[in-house]
Amino acid sequence: GAGVSQSPSNKVTEKGKDVELRCDPISGHTALYWYRQSLGQGLEFLIYFQGNSAPDKSGLPSDRFSAERTGGSVSTLTIQRTQQEDSAVYLCASSSLPGSGELFFGEGSRLTVL
Amino acid sequence: GESVGLHLPTLSVQEGDNSIINCAYSNSASDYFIWYKQESGKGPQFIIDIRSNMDKRQGQRVTVLLNKTVKHLSLQIAATQPGDSAVYFCAENEATAGNQFYFGTGTSLTVIP
Repeated sequence: GAGVSQSPSNKVTEKGKDVELRCDPISGHTALYWYRQSLGQGLEFLIYFQGNSAPDKSGLPSDRFSAERTGGSVSTLTIQRTQQEDSAVYLCASSSLPGSGELFFGEGSRLTVL
Repeated sequence: GESVGLHLPTLSVQEGDNSIINCAYSNSASDYFIWYKQESGKGPQFIIDIRSNMDKRQGQRVTVLLNKTVKHLSLQIAATQPGDSAVYFCAENEATAGNQFYFGTGTSLTVIP
């Protein structure tokens, strides 16, 4: 596709359930980021993938959060045993150049934990 | 963690006036700064960036100013238009610390027709 695609766009789940959020970056982009945006807040860095290098997981808030990127393309963010405080919009972005601040964001996956 | 914040959470301007959105940062080692625009229901969109070896950079109707002495940057929008209404975020990066970009809380800009 022409841009970063995220799915689902909306997800409502019950506390304690696991969720998976998917990101399809722009074709050819080697860098991929996950951010979390709570209501009325800025973007919280979660994780960064660059090519085949080990991901930078320094922003993951707890061990309930994990992410993988298969084949250097599609990425999945998994949240286990969801909590109400996990409710937020999860944004994925990709970039064609390492270290470039020109990130191309998807429209996000809105997660609501009841 | 990093601290990137904004002086004012909201800003209202008349159409045609110039807008100035401010951002403060705390990490003196930050050397790369970016401004993003986020419209309602959409992901952030890159506007302009500046590296620490510069103090000013201009784009189309936008200018970013960087004052490293007081750790402050601003985004100036000339002849503000209704389509400029959005939330604006500054983000910063310290290249030697990795490729994470830390975003501020954002300023909501409303353009009054």
